[in-house]
Amino acid sequence: GQNIDQPTEMTATEGAIVQINCTYQTSGFNGLFWYQQHAGEAPTFLSYNVLDGLEEKGRFSSFLSRSKGYSYLLLKELQMKDSASYLCAVMDSNYQLIWGAGTKLIIKP
Amino acid sequence: SAVISQKPSRDICQRGTSLTIQCQVDSQVTMMFWYRQQPGQSLTLIATANQGSEATYESGFVIDKFPISRPNLTFSTLTVSNMSPEDSSIYLCSVTLGRVGGNEQFFGPGTRLTVL
Repeated sequence: GQNIDQPTEMTATEGAIVQINCTYQTSGFNGLFWYQQHAGEAPTFLSYNVLDGLEEKGRFSSFLSRSKGYSYLLLKELQMKDSASYLCAVMDSNYQLIWGAGTKLIIKP
Repeated sequence: SAVISQKPSRDICQRGTSLTIQCQVDSQVTMMFWYRQQPGQSLTLIATANQGSEATYESGFVIDKFPISRPNLTFSTLTVSNMSPEDSSIYLCSVTLGRVGGNEQFFGPGTRLTVL
């Protein structure tokens, strides 16, 4: 079957760095996405990786290793507004998104 | 990106009734999807709304319960039929723009449904 694993919850301190990991097993691979979802709101797109390596976008970076079925989202200089759930999703061979359960990130002052 | 609106934003309904949720996009899009997200859970795909033909439903979802229309490339509706309290959830419309290298999905604001 298809599976996406990510930690349920993480806690970090304002100003620090946090890495949220995602491992996946899917039938085929057409890219990996990270979304941010604040409580009560719709998910918003953060990043897309289809080739191995690191993609950097301001304070957020996303890494992919296709051979290991592994990705991480790195958040630097954490701000209180970064408190949210972070969803990892993989597009399979049918171009369908398989979603992880999300990681709830709690930022403490 | 795409600007997506949904109506209604929230509703409280009685058991046994039906609710139709509308999704409007500000540009023509290739793919439109309907998701459900129950409290504290991740997204579950209900179906892909196909323009001009019947929607493609995921396992566990059927047309009689969740009829979908997509009359054109900018609009779709999802109906939740014969509702029960288990249907209480957030329903989200999402789209992809179909550009090369642009497979990301953009989401509407969601419809929060409570069934009593």
